[in-house]
Order: sequence, then C-alpha cells, then structure tokens
Amino acid sequence: DTEVTQTPKHLVMGMTNKKSLKCEQHMGHRAMYWYKQKAKKPPELMFVYSYEKLSINESVPSRFSPECPNSSLLNLHLHALQPEDSALYLCASSQDPNQPQHFGDGTRLSIL
Amino acid sequence: KQEVTQIPAALSVPEGENLVLNCSFTDSAIYNLQWFRQDPGKGLTSLLLIQSSQREQTSGRLNASLDKSSGRSTLYIAASQPGDSATYLCAGRFMDSNYQLIWGAGTKLIIKP
Repeated sequence: DTEVTQTPKHLVMGMTNKKSLKCEQHMGHRAMYWYKQKAKKPPELMFVYSYEKLSINESVPSRFSPECPNSSLLNLHLHALQPEDSALYLCASSQDPNQPQHFGDGTRLSIL
Repeated sequence: KQEVTQIPAALSVPEGENLVLNCSFTDSAIYNLQWFRQDPGKGLTSLLLIQSSQREQTSGRLNASLDKSSGRSTLYIAASQPGDSATYLCAGRFMDSNYQLIWGAGTKLIIKP
C-alpha cells in the first residue's frame, strides 16, 4: 500500500473534455510533485508545489494546470488534451524538496 | 548539465544469484541519490536513499553504494528471487539542479526461476 493516493487509477477522455486528477497524502509532507511518464522512459517532472510555492517545468503546455487546495492535496486539471498526452501520471510527496520522494500508484491516462 | 546513466538497459539472471545494478552520474556535486523499483504499469517504490556523506545504505537483501569521486552508484541484490523482477531506476539530486531529481533510464531486471 502506498501513502500517496491517486484517483482515478485509469482515465479515458476525449480531446475536448475537462477532467481532474487527484493526489492526496497524509504524511505531513510540505512538497508535492506531478510527473508524466511515457512507456519505458523515466518520469518527467511537471510541477512542484513546495511551501506554498508552485514551480513549473516551462516545457509543460498550459492545457495542464495544477491546483493545491491545501497542504495534503494536489490536483491536476486537464483541458483540451492531445493524444500525445496519453501517459502514466505520477504524484509524489516529500517532507521537503531535499528529502526522499514517495510516489503514488499513478493514473493511467488515455486520450482518444 | 547533469546526466544520470544506467547500463545495461535490461538484465536477465537465474534465481538465487547475487547481482549488481549500475548507475553513473556526471556531476560530483551530488546531494543524494535514490534508488526506485517500478513494476509494470505501477508507481515507483523508493528502495534506498544515500546522502552524499554516506558510502552505503542497506535494507534487507539490498545494498546501495555511492562513490562521488568516480560518479558511480551500485545497487547490490543478494540471493535474487523472481519477485525482484522489475525496472530499477536511480535518480540523483544535485547542488546545481535546484535539488530536482535527475533520472536514469532504468534497468529492466528479469529473474528466471
């Protein structure tokens, strides 16, 4: 069992849909992350939310937008995605940015 | 620019053997290095983290080492079992990378019964 919970586990959506991925941790961690992982590749960092500050990987398109309602939750809002956005989306958290990251099981996203 | 490399990309060994997975990095100003395991279609499980001030970390049958001067880390797995089959990734955190993880591409390990 993982201490970082991601929902849903699987998501299929059309290119015009709007959906959200959710990530929750109750370890009191102050840093949370979203990664995108394509098959047989390492994860790519998309966003970091640390001590109430958001850091963005500048290569991430604006159709992805993170939201941090509180210190335990990090959502990823999706809008007008493209087929190449199909991937495994992983959420992680750490006590602070220099400490080990703990990952959720991921959301498998498929764009039709 | 920091780079992390894992060779080989895939490794197949008989059950019961001891084995070593390799991870090399280009920047000796490393803060720490983390080893992960990933099962197909799943998230990543953190195995071991070695701080730059440490040379080894052990957890059960796993032992990870770090040699900053040579830019290498190894993950030693003793008495391998079929359940050890997975992809193993290493990721370094460097002083000049704003402490973000720099990932290797992973080694896919298959343990044959």
